[in-house]
Amino acid sequence: RKEVEQDPGPFNVPEGATVAFNCTYSNSASQSFFWYRQDCRKEPKLLMSVYSSGNEDGRFTAQLNRASQYISLLIRDSKLSDSATYLCVVNERNSGYALNFGKGTSLLVTP
Amino acid sequence: DAEITQSPRHKITETGRQVTLACHQTWNHNNMFWYRQDLGHGLRLIHYSYGVHDTNKGEVSDGYSVSRSNTEDLPLTLESAASSQTSVYFCASSLDRAGEQYFGPGTRLTVT
Repeated sequence: RKEVEQDPGPFNVPEGATVAFNCTYSNSASQSFFWYRQDCRKEPKLLMSVYSSGNEDGRFTAQLNRASQYISLLIRDSKLSDSATYLCVVNERNSGYALNFGKGTSLLVTP
Repeated sequence: DAEITQSPRHKITETGRQVTLACHQTWNHNNMFWYRQDLGHGLRLIHYSYGVHDTNKGEVSDGYSVSRSNTEDLPLTLESAASSQTSVYFCASSLDRAGEQYFGPGTRLTVT
C-alpha cells in the first residue's frame, strides 16, 4: 500500500504562534487531498480540502506540490482550541477512491 | 440536519461472538466506508460501498463483512469476534467518490 507520511510531533507552540505541518505521499495517482482534524477519542473532521493552486480558510493555509508529492498546512495565530491531531489524507483512485490517512501530527498550543 | 450516526457507541463482547455495528446517514450519499483506528496504525479501510447492493473489500477486510440494502445504512458484521478486532470503528460517507468524507462518532469495541 502506498504511504502517506507525516511527522508525528508533538508540536508544542505558544498561543499566537505560526506552525507548519508537512506531509508526503507516495502514490502519484492520488487525486484529491485533505487535511482532517481529530480531537482525542473523537471522529476525524474535515478541516479543508487542498487544491493545486493552494487555498486559505481564515488562519489556515494549505499547499499542494504534485511534482514533489508534498502537502503542507500552515496555521497562523494559533489558538488553544487548535490543539488536536492533524491528519494528512489522500484519496487514491486506484484504491477504490478510499481515503489513505497519515498517522497524524499532534499539536499542543499552550497559554 | 443531515447526519451520520453509529450504534452502539461502546460494545464489549466475547471472543467468537458475532457482532454487528450500525451506521446510518441521512445525507443520501451513495458512498459509504468503514475504517478502524488503532494506535500506531492510523485509520485503515475495512469495507466500502458505492451504492445499494455494492460492496468492496478494503485493506483489512478479513473477519468482517458488510451489506448494503438501502442508501442510508451500511452495517458492519464481525463474523466471529477476535481480540485483534478490539479497536475504534468509524463509518464515513461521501457525495463524490473522490470527495471529502464525513465521519460518524465512532464505536469503541472491546473483544475479551
